[in-house]
Amino acid sequence: GAVVSQHPSWVICKSGTSVKIECRSLDFQATTMFWYRQFPKQSLMLMATSNEGSKATYEQGVEKDKFLINHASLTLSTLTVTSAHPEDSSFYICSASVGDNQPQHFGDGTRLSIL
Amino acid sequence: AQSVAQPEDQVNVAEGNPLTVKCTYSVSGNPYLFWYVQYPNRGLQFLLKYITGDNLVKGSYGFEAEFNKSQTSFHLKKPSALVSDSALYFCAVRGTTDSWGKLQFGAGTQVVVTP
Repeated sequence: GAVVSQHPSWVICKSGTSVKIECRSLDFQATTMFWYRQFPKQSLMLMATSNEGSKATYEQGVEKDKFLINHASLTLSTLTVTSAHPEDSSFYICSASVGDNQPQHFGDGTRLSIL
Repeated sequence: AQSVAQPEDQVNVAEGNPLTVKCTYSVSGNPYLFWYVQYPNRGLQFLLKYITGDNLVKGSYGFEAEFNKSQTSFHLKKPSALVSDSALYFCAVRGTTDSWGKLQFGAGTQVVVTP
C-alpha cells in the first residue's frame, strides 16, 4: 500500500518551455503532498508543501511564480515549471503522507533536462 | 529549528559484515525519526521509523535502528550487509511542534557493499 506515482519520469525540452509534473497517490488520500528538488549526490531540498484545496506553502528562496503547484484533489498534485531554463534542470521528487506521524511515501522522481 | 547530521559521506563494508550508518538530530519537542534508501534515479523508499515506544525499531529488508535520546542519535544497522544494499541512505527528522509533517533530511550517506 501507500504507492505514489510520479509522471513523467524523464523530460528533455527546450529553454522557455513550461513543464508539468504529476504526482498521484494511488491507494490512499493525501491531504498534504510535498515537492522536493535534488541535485546530484545531494540531499533533498524541500520546495513547497501542497495542501488539498488551498495554496501551496513555498520554502524561502523558491519562486512561486516559477514553480506553480496545484493540489486539486486528495490524490493529485501537480508542479509546473514555467518558462524553464537550463538552471532548472534537476531531479524533482514528490511525496505524500497518510497522516501526521506517518512516513512520507515518495514518487520515483522526474529527471528534468532543459537544453 | 530541526536539523539532522549524517557524519559519513560514504560507508564501505564487505558483504556479510555488519553495516552501520550514523545519524544524529536536533529538534523542538519529541522527535519523529525516519530512515529512507534511494537507488539511482529513483525516489526514496521508506525503511523504518521511530515515533514512540521501544528504542529498537525493526524495518524493511533486515534493517533496524536504535533511538538513543541522551545521545540524540538514530543509527541504522544491518547485521549482515548484501551487495544489493549499496545505495544512498537518508535519515530524516520531524519535531512534534512542526506542522504538516515537514521533514528535515540529512545529507545522505552512500553505502558501498563489496562482494
